[in-house]
Amino acid sequence: QSVLTQPPSASGTPGQRVTISCSGSSSNIGSNPVNWYQQLPGAAPRLLIYRNNQRPSGVPDRFSGSKSGTSASLAISGLQSEDEADYYCATWDGSLNGPSWVFGGGTKLTVL
Amino acid sequence: QVQLVQSGTEVKKPGASVKVSCKTSGYTFTGYFIHWVRQAPGQGLEWMGWINPNGGGTSYAQKFQGRVTMTRDTSISTSHMELARLTSDDTAVYYCARTFGFSGNVFFDYWGQGTLVTVSS
Repeated sequence: QSVLTQPPSASGTPGQRVTISCSGSSSNIGSNPVNWYQQLPGAAPRLLIYRNNQRPSGVPDRFSGSKSGTSASLAISGLQSEDEADYYCATWDGSLNGPSWVFGGGTKLTVL
Repeated sequence: QVQLVQSGTEVKKPGASVKVSCKTSGYTFTGYFIHWVRQAPGQGLEWMGWINPNGGGTSYAQKFQGRVTMTRDTSISTSHMELARLTSDDTAVYYCARTFGFSGNVFFDYWGQGTLVTVSS
């Protein structure tokens, strides 16, 4: 059971726009920036979006992020076959039960 | 270029310990925290803790306290993660990743390639 909630799957056809949601609480998303990671099959995660909506160099501007309250979302426009991967949201959780980095359960994106 | 290169696959018996290494290059080792994140087969990512190579301070996720030890060797820009009293639930790919600091405002910008640890009798 992940602290952050993501839909397990998403899909779209080439050229379409898809969004992936990430829901948390006041101790995590409500208080800290959200980062997004892309994990291609058999590979390590790769930073996709940091501090809610910033793209590292080399990440296409087709990828964008946003945050509102205790939820965040990742949008991918102009979907391409190479976007087929698992996507994870992550943030710091300052819970009194034990502060830690927390991740969503991941969303498997299928390009139809 | 920044690189984090991890040690190879490990197979351990239940009750044993495993030590995974993460050799860094391309940046100042003591300028960035090293985190360890694991991923069980078919599952999501789970944060285990961090080490500050500048001084060796550590912080572990509550779940792993008492069982995990993170160390570093600044002479070879390498961090190690040792996990004790292994069970089959510890079968996973273990990743190291770096952050610039440890506040909620940071992010894992570079990752190692991962080390598969299999626990089986």
